[in-house]
Parts: sequence; structure tokens; C-alpha cells
Amino acid sequence: RKEVEQDPGPFNVPEGATVAFNCTYSNSASQSFFWYRQDCRKEPKLLMSVYSSGNEDGRFTAQLNRASQYISLLIRDSKLSDSATYLCVVNGNFGNEKLTFGTGTRLTIIP
Amino acid sequence: DAGVTQSPTHLIKTRGQHVTLRCSPISGHKSVSWYQQVLGQGPQFIFQYYEKEERGRGNFPDRFSARQFPNYSSELNVNALLLGDSALYLCASSPVGGDSTNFNSPLHFGNGTRLTVT
Repeated sequence: RKEVEQDPGPFNVPEGATVAFNCTYSNSASQSFFWYRQDCRKEPKLLMSVYSSGNEDGRFTAQLNRASQYISLLIRDSKLSDSATYLCVVNGNFGNEKLTFGTGTRLTIIP
Repeated sequence: DAGVTQSPTHLIKTRGQHVTLRCSPISGHKSVSWYQQVLGQGPQFIFQYYEKEERGRGNFPDRFSARQFPNYSSELNVNALLLGDSALYLCASSPVGGDSTNFNSPLHFGNGTRLTVT
């Protein structure tokens, strides 16, 4: 089993739609959780951290379920500029010495 | 403020050669990590250095080595290059590197070095 598993994608959704990504992780001792966004041939950039209570940043909502070892990302009112690969990221070690990335889910927003 | 800077941006090498990739962290950051991202996959952890000491190592062969300098910049070295080493090599810096009070401090990545081995 992979340490971090994501929906395989690709997701092709119309502009304005709501899209949800899911991710599961295998290490129950994982301490921190993130969603990163990566544009084609660019470096990953932090989209948002994920907290146990859930958190929202504008059109983006992240949820964490520690009991089920499940993370989600919801994007509302999707924009063309949201087209990218979304990486689920988990840290299971002390501090942030090693991040474990999922393979990423590619999202394309269709006009 | 300058972000994480990496050099070179692109590199083409042949099998069996050696390569050195360089990284300068964000000013004030003492931790540097290296990741390899093969096409279609997420980044894979290679090394982490904090205060010039190796603090973590991923599942990579001994052909991969790294070091951190007194100014906290870092080099990643790969010997005896294989075709499978072709990837985007990402450097990330963090102000922490073992501080248990900062679990949610994210990593900041550089633009990466795209290595092609032919």
C-alpha cells in the first residue's frame, strides 16, 4: 500500500463547478497535512495546510479525518486558473524533515 | 525577499557522468531538503540537512550524496548517472528542522533543476 494515495484523475470539470479531491494516508502517526498545487513544469506550491477542525481559504476547503486517515480538498466555483495538479502531502516524522507526496491529481477546468 | 534558488535550471548529461546541483535557501532558513520528481509522480524525499548535519535520508542509492555549507546552501551530487535519474530535482528550505513545535511549517520549494540523462 502506498503511504499516500490520491484519486487517480484526471478531473475535467466545467468552469463554475465544485470539485472534490480525496486522499488517504497509511501512517497513523502522521503529524501534519498539506495540499500543494503544481502547475505544468513548475515547482509545487503550498495551497493550504489541513487542520483537524477543517479549514477554509476562500473557495477552498480542506478536511482531515484522523480516525479514517482521510484528507479532502473541495474547490467551489472553479476557475480556469485552478487547472493544475493537486498534491496531497503528509508528514509522519519529527518536524518537517520528510514530506510524503501523493502522485497528484490533475484538474482541468473547461470553459 | 529572494525565495529558494536552484542552479542550473536545466541540465543534460550522459549515462555514467556525474552531476552537482546547487541550492540556496531562503534567508534565515537553516534546513534544506532535496526531492526527486519523476514525470507523472509526486516528489520523493532524498535528503534533509539541518545545521550542516544530515537529518534524514530517503530510499536512494549511495550514488546520491549531499552536503550543506556554513551559509546553509546545499549541493546534491549524483554519480554514475542512469537514464532513470532523469527527473526534476527540487530543493526546499524551512526555518525548522527538528523543532517539535513547528509541525505545520510548510516547505518552500525552489524552481527545480530539470536533469535529462541520455
